[in-house]
Amino acid sequence: KAGVTQTPRYLIKTRGQQVTLSCSPISGHRSVSWYQQTPGQGLQFLFEYFSETQRNKGNFPGRFSGRQFSNSRSEMNVSTLELGDSALYLCASSFYPTGGYEQYFGPGTRLTVT
Amino acid sequence: TQLLEQSPQFLSIQEGENLTVYCNSSSVFSSLQWYRQEPGEGPVLLVTVVTGGEVKKLKRLTFQFGDARKDSSLHITAAQPGDTGLYLCAGASSNDYKLSFGAGTTVTVRA
Repeated sequence: KAGVTQTPRYLIKTRGQQVTLSCSPISGHRSVSWYQQTPGQGLQFLFEYFSETQRNKGNFPGRFSGRQFSNSRSEMNVSTLELGDSALYLCASSFYPTGGYEQYFGPGTRLTVT
Repeated sequence: TQLLEQSPQFLSIQEGENLTVYCNSSSVFSSLQWYRQEPGEGPVLLVTVVTGGEVKKLKRLTFQFGDARKDSSLHITAAQPGDTGLYLCAGASSNDYKLSFGAGTTVTVRA
């Protein structure tokens, strides 16, 4: 079974621009979560989508948004980029086995804002 | 403030030695996961523990979930250079489908 895929793997943008990142979950997984990882803050939860609906949202400004399509693929968008948005953005897909909750991560998109 | 506190933050040991990483919280979790992450890659799920007091073994790795489901430990026996990486614990609550991650423990095993 193919794993979680994320595109692009690397991205360089300029302050003020906007960016869209894409995530394809493991086949059959209907939940997709997004995280931002930086050396100083670690893994911070952005939002989670299930069946095209946002069910959970972390403490990030409204410049960060996302959506999920009917095939469970997800995109996240960051508008008006700031230098502090430079990070590894990770997508994870999930299923709900009995008694546990597990997430499977993609390789991430490394975003550099200059 | 991290919901889950991991210790130590860094660990450097010689090949063949044992090590233990701790993950503590004041919150109760319905399940707890351990991941290992290598530079430039996403975290890879190692194990999920669900029942208080549960012990799971994965080759040389032993995972334990505290009786009160607030803490966990990861023990590696006879560490090898391939065990090098960032170890992350993550807790799931029963009422929201969200994982809370610890800050991670960077483990370096020297040959």
